[in-house]
Amino acid sequence: EPEVTQTPSHQVTQMGQEVILRCVPISNHLYFYWYRQILGQKVEFLVSFYNNEISEKSEIFDDQFSVERPDGSNFTLKIRSTKLEDSAMYFCASSKGGHTEAFFGQGTRLTVV
Amino acid sequence: GESVGLHLPTLSVQEGDNSIINCAYSNSASDYFIWYKQESGKGPQFIIDIRSNMDKRQGQRVTVLLNKTVKHLSLQIAATQPGDSAVYFCADPSGSARQLTFGSGTQLTVLP
Repeated sequence: EPEVTQTPSHQVTQMGQEVILRCVPISNHLYFYWYRQILGQKVEFLVSFYNNEISEKSEIFDDQFSVERPDGSNFTLKIRSTKLEDSAMYFCASSKGGHTEAFFGQGTRLTVV
Repeated sequence: GESVGLHLPTLSVQEGDNSIINCAYSNSASDYFIWYKQESGKGPQFIIDIRSNMDKRQGQRVTVLLNKTVKHLSLQIAATQPGDSAVYFCADPSGSARQLTFGSGTQLTVLP
């Protein structure tokens, strides 16, 4: 069964460093998303990506964040100058679009120390 | 404000009993809802969805009911099993890019 894969599963980084979280969406999906979940809180939308550009972003997704689809399979989230409050689970998701469900990866646990 | 939310943060049921998890939404224009299950340390997993032209949809051991009049939906799990223990979210892909807005989640605990 096709699935969304994310790497690494756990990333520890020092405050102020840059991190890149990687995702391989399901191959025939057209919409790609990043969400985050701070421990004990609900899943929050960060950004959506369609047709090689950002289609929507939340107020969380400020200039510190960027996304890229560098090739036909990968979808990355870059966080520049990480802060302690960036510590969270980051989930990548993809969907065919429209009224279809989004499939989530297993997440990357980012710990900023 | 939040467009979807859940009534109870926790729910405990005996193994074999039926579980009912509730969710309220505020956007009357919402036309599609999804229930996700999230086990500890894992990503949300699709359970079942429902479109606003339906008021009931059944899957394997799960049923979703939609009441548009009071903007309420529920997830019913029949014969709850230990593997059903997880946090359950209702989600509403009403964003302009069909992004999901998640509710707060209900932690379902299945007691032996």
